[in-house]
Amino acid sequence: SAVISQKPSRDICQRGTSLTIQCQVDSQVTMMFWYRQQPGQSLTLIATANQGSEATYESGFVIDKFPISRPNLTFSTLTVSNMSPEDSSIYLCSVEQVQGGTQYFGPGTRLTVL
Amino acid sequence: GENVEQHPSTLSVQEGDSAVIKCTYSDSASNYFPWYKQELGKGPQLIIDIRSNVGEKKDQRIAVTLNKTAKHFSLHITETQPEDSAVYFCAQGPGGGADGLTFGKGTHLIIQP
Repeated sequence: SAVISQKPSRDICQRGTSLTIQCQVDSQVTMMFWYRQQPGQSLTLIATANQGSEATYESGFVIDKFPISRPNLTFSTLTVSNMSPEDSSIYLCSVEQVQGGTQYFGPGTRLTVL
Repeated sequence: GENVEQHPSTLSVQEGDSAVIKCTYSDSASNYFPWYKQELGKGPQLIIDIRSNVGEKKDQRIAVTLNKTAKHFSLHITETQPEDSAVYFCAQGPGGGADGLTFGKGTHLIIQP
């Protein structure tokens, strides 16, 4: 399975600021996704990060709030913009080495917004 | 839209006993059903998955069963051990498209010594 790292592992931010989360994979992967896990809750898909094109967002998530980049097959970033306390969550990157294959998750980034 | 219901939300069993967690789904087009284990402070870890052309799959103490007609699938853990204590999530996916996974709400499994 792919080894996935995320930076930062955690952060505490002030409302109104933005944070960019990085996801790095140790091998080329076909699919990369970003999920949100609110405190004590399940995982919700934010978007599919597409290499070389705009991300595909799920209902309830918009590019202005969660801009995503994927410049190559091993790296993606998620930015949480103009943060409010409601954005306090764990943000998780996941990958599929082949489309429709097994999905593996990174360790997550724990974000607290004050 | 896609929906996955997971039961129970909390399950407490004695060490050595079996644990069963059940999920139902609504999207008949789904054909991929993974189970993840999440320990405190960590990301979800895949423990077993099944595709729609298979009715059951086993990996040592863990098994998953799938009933496509009834649209439900279950996780079975036998001979439970303290290290099995965690939150378990079921999920569904298209298994061939570009979409991500839809998750159940999770089951907190507690193994009593």
